[in-house]
Amino acid sequence: EPEVTQTPSHQVTQMGQEVILRCVPISNHLYFYWYRQILGQKVEFLVSFYNNEISEKSEIFDDQFSVERPDGSNFTLKIRSTKLEDSAMYFCASSRGQGRDGANVLTFGAGSRLTVL
Amino acid sequence: AQSVTQPDIHITVSEGASLELRCNYSYGATPYLFWYVQSPGQGLQLLLKYFSGDTLVQGIKGFEAEFKRSQSSFNLRKPSVHWSDAAEYFCAVGIRGSYIPTFGRGTSLIVHP
Repeated sequence: EPEVTQTPSHQVTQMGQEVILRCVPISNHLYFYWYRQILGQKVEFLVSFYNNEISEKSEIFDDQFSVERPDGSNFTLKIRSTKLEDSAMYFCASSRGQGRDGANVLTFGAGSRLTVL
Repeated sequence: AQSVTQPDIHITVSEGASLELRCNYSYGATPYLFWYVQSPGQGLQLLLKYFSGDTLVQGIKGFEAEFKRSQSSFNLRKPSVHWSDAAEYFCAVGIRGSYIPTFGRGTSLIVHP
């Protein structure tokens, strides 16, 4: 069964360093997402990406964050200068978009755990 | 904006016992509703979804969920839990016309032998 793959599974970084989290979405999916979960808290939406541009983003997704799809297969999340509060599990997801019934079903990766020291 | 509440952070059950995980949502119209499960080291896997029609939906791994509009709930149930069901369970709500589901904080299921 097709799956979304994420790398690295765990990254430890120093505060202020740049981090890039990578995702390979399912090949025939058109929409791509990043969510995060700070330990013990909700899974929060960060950003969605469609047709090579950001389609929606949350308040969390500030200027420190960026996304791109550099080569048509990878979908990356970059954090320019990490802060302690960026420590979280970051989930990538992809979807085909709304089906005939209007619903959008996301397929998620296993997540990348980011620890900022 | 829609929101999701999973009131139980942890649930502990004995293997073979029945299970009910609670999920309440806040949204003015009928939403799309999802349950996802995350086993250790795995991604969030879709268990089941409700879009319309029959309010009792069947999912994978023997799970079912019932949409109750009057209670704004979508509780997940399983009649007999297996040790392999130990995982984190997430309820999510999507609204018509939006591509972005909103998740709850998750409920961690612990299964005792």
